[in-house]
Amino acid sequence: EAQVTQNPRYLITVTGKKLTVTCSQNMNHEYMSWYRQDPGLGLRQIYYSMNVEVTDKGDVPEGYKVSRKEKRNFPLILESPSPNQTSLYFCASHPGQGERWRAYEQYFGPGTRLTVT
Amino acid sequence: AQTVTQSQPEMSVQEAETVTLSCTYDTSENNYYLFWYKQPPSRQMILVIRQEAYKQQNATENRFSVNFQKAAKSFSLKISDSQLGDTAMYFCAFMKHGGNNDMRFGAGTRLTVKP
Repeated sequence: EAQVTQNPRYLITVTGKKLTVTCSQNMNHEYMSWYRQDPGLGLRQIYYSMNVEVTDKGDVPEGYKVSRKEKRNFPLILESPSPNQTSLYFCASHPGQGERWRAYEQYFGPGTRLTVT
Repeated sequence: AQTVTQSQPEMSVQEAETVTLSCTYDTSENNYYLFWYKQPPSRQMILVIRQEAYKQQNATENRFSVNFQKAAKSFSLKISDSQLGDTAMYFCAFMKHGGNNDMRFGAGTRLTVKP
C-alpha cells in the first residue's frame, strides 16, 4: 500500500529535550516536506527536500532541523523544543514528475500531535 | 509570495442539502494547481478535488465540484447532497507549476453536516 508513515503519533515532552519525528514514504517520491498545522493558520511549511541531500527552508524553519540521507526517509529534529512548537505536524511527499497535476499532489502522513510543556 | 484565503472559519449545512465553501488566492503566476483537502476528526489529510489553472473546465468528483474563476482568483468548492461523513475541516491549497515544492494552504473551513 502506498503510504507516508510518521512516528510517533503523539508525543508529550518538556522544554529543551531533543526529539525526532520520523517520516518514511514507500512511493519513491522525489519531494518531501514537513508542515505544522495551527488553528486559524492552516498548514505552514517548515522544511522541504527535493532529493537526497537536498533540503531547504520553508516558511517557518526556526527551531527545526531536517536531513535526507535516504530517498524514503525525512526526519524532523527539534534540538531544543519550546512550548511554541506545540502543534500538529504533517510529513508529506509528492512525485515531482508525471502527469501534470499528479506530479504535485501531496500525500500526507497521519500527523504527529506534539505537546511541549 | 502566494497567499490563500478562506473567509469562512465555520459553516453548517443540513444533510442532503448543498453547501459552497469559498477560497481566494493571490498569485502572479499563470500556471499552477489548486486543491481542496478534507481533514476529518481522524486528522488524516484527504484530497477531495484538484484543478489545473490552464483548464477552463471546472473539475468534478462525484458530489464535489469546483467553481474556478481564474481572473477573479477564486476557487470555491460545492458539496451536493451533503452527508454526515462530510463533516470535517476543509483546506484550500495552491501550488505553482515548477515551484520549489511550496504548497500554500488557507486557514481552513470547519464544515458541520447536521442530521
